[in-house]
Amino acid sequence: GAGVSQSPSNKVTEKGKDVELRCDPISGHTALYWYRQSLGQGLEFLIYFQGNSAPDKSGLPSDRFSAERTGGSVSTLTIQRTQQEDSAVYLCASSTATGLNQPQHFGDGTRLSIL
Amino acid sequence: LAKTTQPISMDSYEGQEVNITCSHNNIATNDYITWYQQFPSQGPRFIIQGYKTKVTNEVASLFIPADRKSSTLSLPRVSLSDTAVYYCLVGENSGYALNFGKGTSLLVTP
Repeated sequence: GAGVSQSPSNKVTEKGKDVELRCDPISGHTALYWYRQSLGQGLEFLIYFQGNSAPDKSGLPSDRFSAERTGGSVSTLTIQRTQQEDSAVYLCASSTATGLNQPQHFGDGTRLSIL
Repeated sequence: LAKTTQPISMDSYEGQEVNITCSHNNIATNDYITWYQQFPSQGPRFIIQGYKTKVTNEVASLFIPADRKSSTLSLPRVSLSDTAVYYCLVGENSGYALNFGKGTSLLVTP
């Protein structure tokens, strides 16, 4: 069946521009997560959604980062006034419910490069 | 989330059994142990999860001793396509944020 889909797969933009990253979770999955992975590093948790609500935004690195989810499905991660340190792979995952005993299904990420 | 320690890298030849051990000395009563696999340019993929003793699926086995302070992921007869980074995660089922470290980079050669 269809997995988690992320778009675009690659994004190159100039410093100072805004970017929007999209995540289409697996149909029926109520929980959705955003992570960031820098080159050679582990995953850094950013934010999660339960339905359309984001109970915990503490992982977002700065107020330039925001995310929303509509209709309990698609989510968008927005980075305003991008900086070079924002360059990373942004990964989205979904699961049937929150809880670490619920396997998270990941997309293949958006590789963001800030020039 | 409980802190985990696993080797940075491991090497193996095709056809061998590979065992990757993860230490989690401060594991809590409600914590599960979960392993993910990540190939280059892909997101992590769930491999296996357990709470105690042994769990086996079509991909791997997970061995957890009685004190649960460590766990071992066992990959039988690895192939070149098993070359990947393997992450060990420990946390309670009421949590949500997966705390990935750098994982174990497994290289399988002919």
